[in-house]
Amino acid sequence: NAGVTQTPKFRVLKTGQSMTLLCAQDMNHEYMYWYRQDPGMGLRLIHYSVGEGTTAKGEVPDGYNVSRLKKQNFLLGLESAAPSQTSVYFCASSYLLGGQIYGYTFGSGTRLTVV
Amino acid sequence: SQKIEQNSEALNIQEGKTATLTCNYTNYSPAYLQWYRQDPGRGPVFLLLIRENEKEKRKERLKVTFDTTLKQSLFHITASQPADSATYLCARATGNQFYFGTGTSLTVIP
Repeated sequence: NAGVTQTPKFRVLKTGQSMTLLCAQDMNHEYMYWYRQDPGMGLRLIHYSVGEGTTAKGEVPDGYNVSRLKKQNFLLGLESAAPSQTSVYFCASSYLLGGQIYGYTFGSGTRLTVV
Repeated sequence: SQKIEQNSEALNIQEGKTATLTCNYTNYSPAYLQWYRQDPGRGPVFLLLIRENEKEKRKERLKVTFDTTLKQSLFHITASQPADSATYLCARATGNQFYFGTGTSLTVIP
């Protein structure tokens, strides 16, 4: 049982390049999320999805796009990378229990550096 | 905004003592709060969830309280061990999202 798998684990991009981060979960969870974590800022939500084919903006969506074509996968795209997007990116998944979203299962993160 | 604050950036405690971490929120009370543990270079791991109508929740050496009057949640680790050293995050639920605090780094000194 892999849980939530993120690829790649590390990446260095040049300013203006594009890339896609992949998140895959094998727990049949409906909800999936992309967060970024920066020193002193905590985890901030970029985009999230409440089911296959749906996406919604979080707290800091600018410069990112997402897609959820399959229930188990949630992709995060950077169209034109900027140094401000240097961060650690975490994917998480969850499900409803008693009408409330239960604890997230997080991936191990992707460390992205934009130079 | 759905602000959530963790008062201390860092907390050092002697092994065997009880560690107490604080999480404060603003505006209306969330329906529930969650606590996570994060080790360096890894993703957060879910520990406990406490609902608005629950005063206290326990799991082994962990205890969480939820005080809607003070707008505060306390996270306790009893009989702390060096292996408990990590960053602990609290999160408040708002709709389909969680807002996280910046975390408290706990160091348990042998």
